[in-house]
Amino acid sequence: SYVLTQPPSVSVAPGKTARITCGGNNIGSKSVHWYQQKPGQAPVLVIYYDSDRPSGIPERFSGSNSGNTATLTISRVEAGDEADYYCQVWDSSSDWVFGGGTKLTVL
Amino acid sequence: EVQLVESGGGLVKPGGSLRLSCAASGFTFSNAWMSWVRQAPGKGLEWVGRIKSKTDGGTTDYAAPVKGRFTISRDDSKNTLYLQMNSLKTEDTAVYYCTTELTTHAFDIWGQGTMVTVSS
Repeated sequence: SYVLTQPPSVSVAPGKTARITCGGNNIGSKSVHWYQQKPGQAPVLVIYYDSDRPSGIPERFSGSNSGNTATLTISRVEAGDEADYYCQVWDSSSDWVFGGGTKLTVL
Repeated sequence: EVQLVESGGGLVKPGGSLRLSCAASGFTFSNAWMSWVRQAPGKGLEWVGRIKSKTDGGTTDYAAPVKGRFTISRDDSKNTLYLQMNSLKTEDTAVYYCTTELTTHAFDIWGQGTMVTVSS
């Protein structure tokens, strides 16, 4: 089965840039989606197809994907960005797969 | 407004059964591929299974931990998705979300979730 690996936590000061990684075997050949989940709420899609933003998602959110690592980048981090972030891919042997999630803390 | 609303969660004993429902509105439900995703307390997201639209065959796929115990179905006349859960285990305790790939081929619409607790 396909495995996605995320760091459990990332911390960043307000106004700085946060980078959350998602590792997987040759993940660059797959399309990666990213979700934001705040406590007690359903997940929200923030990036799809590696780097596209759904309507309503700030331009501060961006994504990239190459080799064995996909990255979600949040620029000019705000307190309201504090949340859990999950990467996701579709794999032919595992169907939909989620990473373990990364807790973003805004210092 | 596009909306998914789950219901049917509750407390059930190990070995018991429960059926969850997900009412859809604001989009053409019959064309949608629908999935269930769950989240155990304090844990990450786990895909449970999917049902395709009838025009795409209406077939179902399941994650290994639930295969043979859970069944996903749909009633397009009622715009409703179902998850029949049998032989429930304590490890099935989770919030269950219904979700769909409406416009992006990612899970762009989510319900608010319904809690299922399996405990004696």
